Amino acid sequence: VQLQESGPGLVKPSETLSVTCSASGYSIVTGWSWGWIRQPPGKGLEWVGSIYHSETDYNPSLKSRVEISLDTSMSQCSLRLTSVTASDTAFYYCARAPLRVNARGDGVPGFRFHYWGQGILVTVSS
Amino acid sequence: DIQINQSPSSLSASVGDRVTITCRASQSMTAFNWYQQKSGKAPKLLIYGVSTLRSGVPSRFRGSKSGTDFTLTISSLQPEDFATYFCQQSDSGPPTFGQGTRLDIQ
Repeated sequence: VQLQESGPGLVKPSETLSVTCSASGYSIVTGWSWGWIRQPPGKGLEWVGSIYHSETDYNPSLKSRVEISLDTSMSQCSLRLTSVTASDTAFYYCARAPLRVNARGDGVPGFRFHYWGQGILVTVSS
Repeated sequence: DIQINQSPSSLSASVGDRVTITCRASQSMTAFNWYQQKSGKAPKLLIYGVSTLRSGVPSRFRGSKSGTDFTLTISSLQPEDFATYFCQQSDSGPPTFGQGTRLDIQ
């Protein structure tokens, strides 16, 4: 089980941050959801959002700027964060979590992150 | 959102010591997890569901709960345990993390 983030390490203010996570060792649709967590250098962890199939869940504080998508054929999960500022500078980690079951009995993204990528530092600066 | 207050923010201890880290949540729950992060590395899940050790985690790590207080105890510190520890609730609303506890060698 390996996750690897990739993308530009430097993004200009007001532009869009794009990071991709590639998975190996298992199928993208094994019943586990994907999540993105970020960590400003030297600081704490903040959940960005999660996805399972087409079901997404985003941090309310970032919801207007975040989009997470899946490419099942390539076993990849992508994160887009628009209109970035210096406060978006952080290590961005992708992670996988077992599904939760909602009140209707449907599988929805989980938040217990068992597997993590090594992370990618994205700096927002002109 | 569920708020979590983790303490202490830093802790110095010696090999063989017993240490305790506490997180106080704004409500009681059972979906509570602990992560270990070593310098320059991604966090690693240690304990989930308050007290269940992830496979491969040494038994010197223990998680417990009393009301809205959640505790990580390391019974006898080993050199590889010096790291930063984060708690996390995955119970309801957006998942939230504690601020972290940096555990240093005394």
